[in-house]
Amino acid sequence: DQQVKQNSPSLSVQEGRISILNCDYTNSMFDYFLWYKKYPAEGPTFLISISSIKDKNEDGRFTVFLNKSAKHLSLHIVPSQPGDSAVYFCAALLRRGADGLTFGKGTHLIIQP
Amino acid sequence: DVKVTQSSRYLVKRTGEKVFLECVQDMDHENMFWYRQDPGLGLRLIYFSYDVKMKEKGDIPEGYSVSREKKERFSLILESASTNQTSMYLCASSSGQNIYGYTFGSGTRLTVV
Repeated sequence: DQQVKQNSPSLSVQEGRISILNCDYTNSMFDYFLWYKKYPAEGPTFLISISSIKDKNEDGRFTVFLNKSAKHLSLHIVPSQPGDSAVYFCAALLRRGADGLTFGKGTHLIIQP
Repeated sequence: DVKVTQSSRYLVKRTGEKVFLECVQDMDHENMFWYRQDPGLGLRLIYFSYDVKMKEKGDIPEGYSVSREKKERFSLILESASTNQTSMYLCASSSGQNIYGYTFGSGTRLTVV
């Protein structure tokens, strides 16, 4: 059963507007949540993370919100830029250190000029 | 610049062949991981290792094995390649105490014919 879900395979947003990518999870024991960005033919790169004890983390144009009661997190990109077009993966971690990340299936974000 | 290097970007192998995918990191990271990425399925963890000669099964270990004889090198082995193992394979590494330190390689696109 999938523990991390990204229900939108793709999302199209106009340049300059807000992009909102959503992620749901089922395991309440996850300690950290991360967003990765992936361009074609490249490995994923870390974007932003949030601890389960927080509800918001901001880094420049990127903000991640966590709603623990709903087991839901979202990534906001404001304003959206053409270089943001990529696949975004939501990931969750049970504990720091050795465990592998559990990834969602990804959302392909397309920024239209 | 820190790196995770995967030895091949593209590989074509025949069904039944034994295939070795090599990954080397230069960051002295304790943890190393192998994922595969498939359309509509996202990133799935095959195996990981948190120390030399240690290995742990991920979510989809069937048909694969791994070897970690040195800290910097983590090899994924397909004992007898099958067409359903055609995929993008991604190696990653991390430091034990740094959850942000998941660095991915550029990936190996394996095609089994």
